[in-house]
Amino acid sequence: SQTIHQWPATLVQPVGSPLSLECTVEGTSNPNLYWYRQAAGRGLQLLFYSVGIGQISSEVPQNLSASRPQDRQFILSSKKLLLSDSGFYLCAWSVRTSGGFQETQYFGPGTRLLVL
Amino acid sequence: KNQVEQSPQSLIILEGKNCTLQCNYTVSPFSNLRWYKQDTGRGPVSLTIMTFSENTKSNGRYTATLDADTKQSSLHITASQLSDSASYICVVSPSSFSGGYNKLIFGAGTRLAVHP
Repeated sequence: SQTIHQWPATLVQPVGSPLSLECTVEGTSNPNLYWYRQAAGRGLQLLFYSVGIGQISSEVPQNLSASRPQDRQFILSSKKLLLSDSGFYLCAWSVRTSGGFQETQYFGPGTRLLVL
Repeated sequence: KNQVEQSPQSLIILEGKNCTLQCNYTVSPFSNLRWYKQDTGRGPVSLTIMTFSENTKSNGRYTATLDADTKQSSLHITASQLSDSASYICVVSPSSFSGGYNKLIFGAGTRLAVHP
């Protein structure tokens, strides 16, 4: 069966510090991968998605970046955190098919980030 | 503009009672609609998925309905349990004729609290 891991589960960082959140998927190959941010009382906001190693698409201009160094590894980074980067970050994966991106997305447990 | 609106924003019910959550969307063209359950501090988990041609879909005590003409969906929970306390998120997927990525449209969710 497939599983998705995220770490850390919780992170408290000072403004201006760097960030690295990691997501790994097990039990599947060539998944589509996604990073979302969820603010309190708001819908999930797609930040990045990836269809393969080194292939990253950005949805929202911001001081965050993403990388996919391996097929089942997705990393969310920042060089300098802002207060507004606080939130709940979710990684997700879906099966990649020739039909596009209509498959169900499976979410990880999330990372709660607090920037002080 | 593609939007998903959910109501109510929050709901409190007693254990054993039934409840219905609403989702209205303006996404067009439309591919499918999903309901996710998100426990506090966890990632969302898919409950049901319905395509344009489906009117109802059940998953245990959860029953989702879809009216594609009025662009409305509901999630009915029968004989609620304490473990049903969570946020319920309606997610609409636009159609993708090219097979490329169309960003999922997330509602803000309904926060349900089941009290003993």
